Amino acid sequence: EDQVTQSPEALRLQEGESSSLNCSYTVSGLRGLFWYRQDPGKGPEFLFTLYSAGEEKEKERLKATLTKKESFLHITAPKPEDSATYLCAVHKNSGGSNYKLTFGKGTLLTVNP
Amino acid sequence: SAVISQKPSRDICQRGTSLTIQCQVDSQVTMMFWYRQQPGQSLTLIATANQGSEATYESGFVIDKFPISRPNLTFSTLTVSNMSPEDSSIYLCSSSGGGPTQYFGPGTRLLVL
Repeated sequence: EDQVTQSPEALRLQEGESSSLNCSYTVSGLRGLFWYRQDPGKGPEFLFTLYSAGEEKEKERLKATLTKKESFLHITAPKPEDSATYLCAVHKNSGGSNYKLTFGKGTLLTVNP
Repeated sequence: SAVISQKPSRDICQRGTSLTIQCQVDSQVTMMFWYRQQPGQSLTLIATANQGSEATYESGFVIDKFPISRPNLTFSTLTVSNMSPEDSSIYLCSSSGGGPTQYFGPGTRLLVL
């Protein structure tokens, strides 16, 4: 069974304190791994797509990396406005035009000033 | 990326009634999806809304409970039928323009009493 596990469930950082969020997956035929940010009361906001091991993507203070078993979302010198729930999702090869995403439960990041 | 709106943004309903949620995309999209997000749980795909054909439902979700319409390439509805308190959740619509990346609406927060 496909599984996406995110850790930690919650992370509290001081402003400027860099850290990483983890997304481990057990999926056969991975076609893409996605990171989203979700603020309270809002829908998920797309951040990155990673397609192959070794790939890296960056956006402002965020950098996503991918291996064959897991992805990391590195947050460098975070600010309070980076506080949100970060969701990881995978898309696997299931034939046809199926674009089903399987999500993890997310990591709630809180950055204190 | 597509901009997606949902109506209503929230509602409180009595058990046994039905609620129809609307999802509008600001451009024509190939695929639209409906998700459920329950507290402490990951986003779960309910169904893929296909334009011009029946929706494709995921395991555990049935058409009688969650009928879906997709009359054109920019609009879809999800009805939650014969509601019970267990249906209290956030319902999210997303769209894809042909690739696996999905963009989400703001969600509909449903409370069933």
